[in-house]
This record gives sequence, C-alpha cells and structure tokens, in this order.
Amino acid sequence: GAVVSQHPSWVICKSGTSVKIECRSLDFQATTMFWYRQFPKQSLMLMATSNEGSKATYEQGVEKDKFLINHASLTLSTLTVTSAHPEDSSFYICSARGTGVIGPQHFGDGTRLSIL
Amino acid sequence: AQSVTQLDSQVPVFEEAPVELRCNYSSSVSVYLFWYVQYPNQGLQLLLKYLSGSTLVESINGFEAEFNKSQTSFHLRKPSVHISDTAEYFCAVTGKSNQAGTALIFGKGTTLSVSS
Repeated sequence: GAVVSQHPSWVICKSGTSVKIECRSLDFQATTMFWYRQFPKQSLMLMATSNEGSKATYEQGVEKDKFLINHASLTLSTLTVTSAHPEDSSFYICSARGTGVIGPQHFGDGTRLSIL
Repeated sequence: AQSVTQLDSQVPVFEEAPVELRCNYSSSVSVYLFWYVQYPNQGLQLLLKYLSGSTLVESINGFEAEFNKSQTSFHLRKPSVHISDTAEYFCAVTGKSNQAGTALIFGKGTTLSVSS
C-alpha cells in the first residue's frame, strides 16, 4: 500500500528554536498534502492543505507565519514551526493524497514535538 | 460541508466480545466514508472505506462497517475483539463532489480498550 514517511518522529528542543518536519510520499505522487495537529486524547485538527507548487491554504486560526509549509515537489512537503514555544508542543501528522478525488488520505506516523 | 459525530468517546470490552463503534455524519451531498485506526504515538492507518457499491465493507482483520444512508451512519463492528485491537478509532468523511484537495473531516475518535 501507499506509504508516507514522516521525519523526525520525536523532537525535543528549547523554546525559540525553529523545527522542520518532513513528509514524503514514497511510492506515489502526492498532489495534495495535509498537515494536522493532534492534542492528547483528541481528534486531528487540520492546519493546512498544500498543493504541489502553490501556496498552502491555512485553516482559520492557524498562523501561517508560525507554521511555514512548503510543498516543492510531488513527493515532499515540509512544515517548519518557527520560533517554537511550549504551547506549540503537540503531535503533528502529515497526510498525502494522490491524484483523483476518491483516493483515501495516507498518513505519516507523526512527529511528537516537545518544546522546553 | 460535512461533519462527523462519534457517539462514544470510550468503549471498554472484554476479549472475544463483540463491539460496535458508532459513527454518524452530516452532509448535504453524497459522501465517501472511512474508518482509520491509530495506535499510540503513531499516525493513522486506513481500516476500511466506503466509496460506492455494496454498503457493507470489510477489513482484512475482521472489522466491518455498514453504510446506512437513511440513518446517515457508518458504524464499525467486529464480532470478536482481541487485545491487539486496543487503539483509537476515527471515522472520517468527505463529500463526493469535493475537490481532490479537500481534506477528510474527522470525528473526535473512540478509544477501544480490550481487556482479558
């Protein structure tokens, strides 16, 4: 089946650091990638949708200058949490969808971000 | 727009007992429906999906779900659960008319806890 690789799986860093998370589709071309944030014991909250070669579309309430998304190729999207603070600590999950409307979203294994 | 309601936040059951995880959706258009499973500190794995055709869909590990249009439901069932089925289960929906770049809408999740 389709595989989405997300790296790193766990990050611990100091407040004020910028952190980059990579999301790769390994065996298909991901025309659309999604970034979610998940708080403990809660559902996934969509942060933004990105299409290859264009600017990401952010959901209401998500700071685009804080969460920079780049989708430079059909197999790679990155999320950079700039000047991270403890309140940014969370589980971030990327998801990718190939061509066609009915394809399910394939998910990475997530990145646990802990800001000290 | 679509929305998903998972009626039970937690479902504790004993091993080998049957289980049903309930999911209801709301949509003004026809939908595609999905169940995803999430194990601790991991991303989401697609369990099964309804796109069209038979309203009863099955997964390879014994789960099944039935699409009921009149009741706008897509409940997940398994006749006999195992300890290894302990996980978080998410129901998700997207409208058939949505563009490929539209993200899935998730319910809040149901924690299935199987004990011996």
